[in-house]
Amino acid sequence: EAQVTQNPRYLITVTGKKLTVTCSQNMNHEYMSWYRQDPGLGLRQIYYSMNVEVTDKGDVPEGYKVSRKEKRNFPLILESPSPNQTSLYFCASGAVVGQPQHFGDGTRLSIL
Amino acid sequence: AQTVTQSQPEMSVQEAETVTLSCTYDTSESNYYLFWYKQPPSRQMILVIRQEAYKQQNATENRFSVNFQKAAKSFSLKISDSQLGDTAMYFCAFISNNAGNMLTFGGGTRLMVKP
Repeated sequence: EAQVTQNPRYLITVTGKKLTVTCSQNMNHEYMSWYRQDPGLGLRQIYYSMNVEVTDKGDVPEGYKVSRKEKRNFPLILESPSPNQTSLYFCASGAVVGQPQHFGDGTRLSIL
Repeated sequence: AQTVTQSQPEMSVQEAETVTLSCTYDTSESNYYLFWYKQPPSRQMILVIRQEAYKQQNATENRFSVNFQKAAKSFSLKISDSQLGDTAMYFCAFISNNAGNMLTFGGGTRLMVKP
């Protein structure tokens, strides 16, 4: 089954404690991206990757890091989380620009 | 930079009636794609419909259709014969060929279908 898998689904943690949200896709897609969703703002782009070792910033990259060492994985790293990073996070993947993307089920992060 | 605006934060409709959700966007690109996504309470992101900007014909998917006005940069979603399962957040989204496959989303419209 084609899918994008994010882990964890929920996480409550404290300010400053490094965390990683994993994202894996099994469709051999070139493109992967991260979004955060906040009420009234829709989903906003954090980072994207067009292939292995190729990443670029989206609209709200501050406080986040990503890496793309393998085609299937695109983890999101919060080195020193802060309360303003409390949000719902989505990973997505796509094969070709303009074709519908596959979204993971989301990760709810709460930073206290 | 592209922007997407959904001017209706919340809407409601009676079951079996028709409702239209508005979306406008701003871009200087000529080749792009537009989408409507549905997010039910389960928070999954579900593709509803897709439109290619170079196609003049409006996309349709069963009870869902769009009114794509390229000159006006408008992309509204019409839901016919509304069903209780249509209750969800709806997001309009835009992508251009130059954006690394990153979508730009509107703020969303919360739709409630009433029995």
